[in-house]
Amino acid sequence: DAKTTQPTSMDCAEGRAANLPCNHSTISGNEYVYWYRQIHSQGPQYIIHGLKNNETNEMASLIITEDRKSSTLILPHATLRDTAVYYCIVRAQKLVFGQGTRLTINP
Amino acid sequence: DTEVTQTPKHLVMGMTNKKSLKCEQHMGHRAMYWYKQKAKKPPELMFVYSYEKLSINESVPSRFSPECPNSSLLNLHLHALQPEDSALYLCASSQEGSGSLAGNTIYFGEGSWLTVV
Repeated sequence: DAKTTQPTSMDCAEGRAANLPCNHSTISGNEYVYWYRQIHSQGPQYIIHGLKNNETNEMASLIITEDRKSSTLILPHATLRDTAVYYCIVRAQKLVFGQGTRLTINP
Repeated sequence: DTEVTQTPKHLVMGMTNKKSLKCEQHMGHRAMYWYKQKAKKPPELMFVYSYEKLSINESVPSRFSPECPNSSLLNLHLHALQPEDSALYLCASSQEGSGSLAGNTIYFGEGSWLTVV
């Protein structure tokens, strides 16, 4: 499975859009981009995933570049409850977690 | 419903004890997983079961023994653990366990906190 690179930490103001970047320059054609988040002391929560096209659900939007070498997770209106570690994972078979981005939403 | 239930939520055991962690899902998923997460680290894959058969063992020490009695249940039997095995143990499940796994979302439980004394 391809590796990903994410910023270690980010801050965002409450009510603003949080844009979390992820680089996956070695992604293969059959690998999906997954995003999970983990709020302190809880199990990882699935957010969204995609292969080539941009995706949107009730939680977030996923924007994948045309060459698939990077993606951005967008939380449109961040709240304090969105403070968590966000994991971008490129997956063919196994779901292998990297270090993630610690997102802090500030009031 | 995307619920994976894990019991117990907290477990303290001695190094000579035998205990088990349990996991249950009723989503009809045929793949189930055990992950281990140490403090301030990302989850690490331990085992994958596909159609009740062990398909992946990530070189986990034999003091951890997984069991999948049926498609809804997954156990992790613990014996002669060390204090460094103290961690959050996460169970997860997904639709399929073979073929193209990549498009099948994996859903996690809340985990079992294990402390070995």
